[in-house]
Amino acid sequence: AAGVIQSPRHLIKEKRETATLKCYPIPRHDTVYWYQQGPGQDPQFLISFYEKMQSDKGSIPDRFSAQQFSDYHSELNMSSLELGDSALYFCASSRDLKNNEQFFGPGTRLTVL
Amino acid sequence: AQTVTQSQPEMSVQEAETVTLSCTYDTSESDYYLFWYKQPPSRQMILVIRQEAYKQQNATENRFSVNFQKAAKSFSLKISDSQLGDAAMYFCAYRSPYSGNTPLVFGKGTRLSVIA
Repeated sequence: AAGVIQSPRHLIKEKRETATLKCYPIPRHDTVYWYQQGPGQDPQFLISFYEKMQSDKGSIPDRFSAQQFSDYHSELNMSSLELGDSALYFCASSRDLKNNEQFFGPGTRLTVL
Repeated sequence: AQTVTQSQPEMSVQEAETVTLSCTYDTSESDYYLFWYKQPPSRQMILVIRQEAYKQQNATENRFSVNFQKAAKSFSLKISDSQLGDAAMYFCAYRSPYSGNTPLVFGKGTRLSVIA
């Protein structure tokens, strides 16, 4: 079965650089979520999209932005990177059903030097 | 806002034995969903089991079962016949039901070690 695809899997950036993370949801899934998991931490919700519109917003810094495109893939854009942005970034997708399950991608490991 | 608490940062169990991981949550909602996710060293998030709050029957998935106590707002995970592959970080998570696309709220996690 198709799973959530994230690219790249690993990314190394310098402070103050920008990064773009991509997420390709499971086919026919209309909702995408982004989570950030710092070292030794639990995943924290950043932002979500439903049918290409922002659905919910969590603890996403103003330096970050995201969008969902017409083919339902999503991109998380991160600017002015800081050391504290080093984390594992998960994308999850689901269908807009009340009893849905969120399927997680493998994550993108971002390291900021 | 909802909160999820896992009071056991680390647990260990002998292979083939049974272990119970604790989770409590705080919510004013009457309907919601609860989940246990497993995160092995690969860091992949894997759904272990889910429970709908309106269902009184405890969910079971093979060797994994939950003890859902709605009044006490408790949702513990029992792993029977523990295997070496069960060693992982386990996260308890809560989701509101108001729409199909509400995010998950996670606890801090419990690291489970399995001793051969």
